[in-house]
Amino acid sequence: DIQMTQSPSSLSASVGDRVTVTCRASQDIRNDLAWYQQKPGKPPKRLMYATSTLQSGVPSRFSGSGSGTEFTLTIASLQPEDFATYYCLQHNTYPYNFGPGTKLEIK
Amino acid sequence: QVHLVQSGGGVVQPGGSLRLFCAASGFTFSSYDMYWVRQAPGKGLEWVAFIRYYETTKSYADSVKGRFTISRDNSKNTLYLQMNDLRAEDTAVYYCTGADDYWGQGTLVTVSS
Repeated sequence: DIQMTQSPSSLSASVGDRVTVTCRASQDIRNDLAWYQQKPGKPPKRLMYATSTLQSGVPSRFSGSGSGTEFTLTIASLQPEDFATYYCLQHNTYPYNFGPGTKLEIK
Repeated sequence: QVHLVQSGGGVVQPGGSLRLFCAASGFTFSSYDMYWVRQAPGKGLEWVAFIRYYETTKSYADSVKGRFTISRDNSKNTLYLQMNDLRAEDTAVYYCTGADDYWGQGTLVTVSS
């Protein structure tokens, strides 16, 4: 199975900051990576898939890049509603796997 | 409007069984792959199972393989997860999801004696 890691596991930042989260796969997954945002008590929400294709309605301050085994999620200018936990998911090979998550907190 | 309405969670003893339901409406259920995802209390997301829209292709996480069975009834617009031989580590909120990132509300399964 393909294993996913994320860094950092948590991150403190301020409104307006630019932040980057990294996700690594244990083997080549081409560009088959999605990013999810989850707020407490709510189901996750997909931000993008295929590394950089934004889900409909997701603000353009969110972007993704990478290929193969290393990927990044960038939030260009943090907004108050962006403080949440972020997960990557490889959708290249079954069984799919999520990364362990990155908790983004207000500094 | 799209809805995925879940039911079937609850408390069960170790070794017991439960069946989860996910009733879909507002989209062409039979055209979409569907998934189950779970989240243990205070933990991250875990991908559990997948079923292709035409039912015959399925996949499972190693942690549930041989104990859980995903199925669907396209005539009833319903997704199922049959969970057997439940363990304490299966305690989690279970979500159904699929299509264009539609999610159910989640249902709590607690495995405890």
